[in-house]
Parts: sequence; structure tokens; C-alpha cells
Amino acid sequence: SAVISQKPSRDICQRGTSLTIQCQVDSQVTMMFWYRQQPGQSLTLIATANQGSEATYESGFVIDKFPISRPNLTFSTLTVSNMSPEDSSIYLCSVRQGISTEAFFGQGTRLTVV
Amino acid sequence: QKEVEQDPGPLSVPEGAIVSLNCTYSNSAFQYFMWYRQYSRKGPELLMYTYSSGNKEDGRFTAQVDKSSKYISLFIRDSQPSDSATYLCAMSAGAGGTSYGKLTFGQGTILTVHP
Repeated sequence: SAVISQKPSRDICQRGTSLTIQCQVDSQVTMMFWYRQQPGQSLTLIATANQGSEATYESGFVIDKFPISRPNLTFSTLTVSNMSPEDSSIYLCSVRQGISTEAFFGQGTRLTVV
Repeated sequence: QKEVEQDPGPLSVPEGAIVSLNCTYSNSAFQYFMWYRQYSRKGPELLMYTYSSGNKEDGRFTAQVDKSSKYISLFIRDSQPSDSATYLCAMSAGAGGTSYGKLTFGQGTILTVHP
């Protein structure tokens, strides 16, 4: 299984600011995803991070709010822009080597917006 | 109707009990099924991964998939207090489609195993 490191593990941010979350994998992976887990809720996919091209966003999520980069096969960033208290969630990076393989998750970034 | 339905519980059982966790789904394209355990303030940890219908056993855990009924289960035998966590079912479709590799999750079941 892949080892996934997310930074920061938690942060408290002022509304209107932006936070960039990093996801580093210890091996090259085909697929990288970003999920959000709101308090007491399950996980919702924000977007698929595509290496060398623009991310693919799910309905309800837009690039201006959640810009994503993936410069190579082991690293991705998610930025939460112009934050509001409603963005307070856990943000999780996930990887898969293919659609027929398991999906693994990082430990998450717990974001609180005040 | 949600694509994946999971009873949120909470579920409380005595140590040593057999626990049954279940999910139903509506999307017939789902082919890959996973169960995750999530402790408080941690990321989801993969417990079981199965493809299509059938059973898979790993230690105290057994995963069952019945595609004809669109129903999956996770059984935990000899449950321990350390099994207390939230359990999430997740599933994904095969090749094709716009959300390649995406997981769709159930709501999660909160399990407490008391000594």
C-alpha cells in the first residue's frame, strides 16, 4: 500500500484567506483524488487531480474555489480559496493505481475557518 | 435517493459479539467494493476490498457482495473494544464514465464495542 503524507494536519484560518494543502505519496500513482468530509458526514469527492493537466471537478465544486495542481505522479496540492466557515471540514487526499485496485487515504487536513 | 445507503447507527455491542454492517446501492455499474474503518480524527483505513459478487475473509473480517441484490456486508467476528470506530462502505464503477476511479461512500456506521 502507498504511504500518503498530508500537510498541514490541521489549521485554523481567518475567513477570506486561502490555505494550500499538500499531498505527497511515497511511490508513483496513477490516480489522485481530493475528498471533503464535513463534520459528522461521509466523504464527498471534490475533484480528480490529473497529472500535467487541469483537474476534473465534481458537480458543486469549481476551480476558482478549489484550485488543484499535480505536477508529477507523487505530489498534489489543493487550495481552499476565499474561505468561509462553511469550508470547515476535513480534506483528504486519496490514491489508486487503477480502477481495479484499492484506494488509500492520507490522514487528512482538519480545517477550521473562523 | 442516494446512490449508496448505509445505516448510520450508532451500533453498540458487547465485546466478543458478531457485528454485521450493511450497505445497499442503486448504481448497477458499481463493480469494486471497499470497507474502511475511520477512527476519530484519522483518515479512513482500508479494511477489505472485493471485486464483484462473492465473499472475502481476512482474519476476523468477512466481506460479502451480492450484486444481484445490490447489497454488501461486512462481518466482524469476536469484536474488540479496539474495533470501536466509524465504518464506511465505498464503491466504484468499472472503466468508462466521467468519474474514473471515483469512490462513492455510504454515510458511515458508528460502532462501539464495550468491554
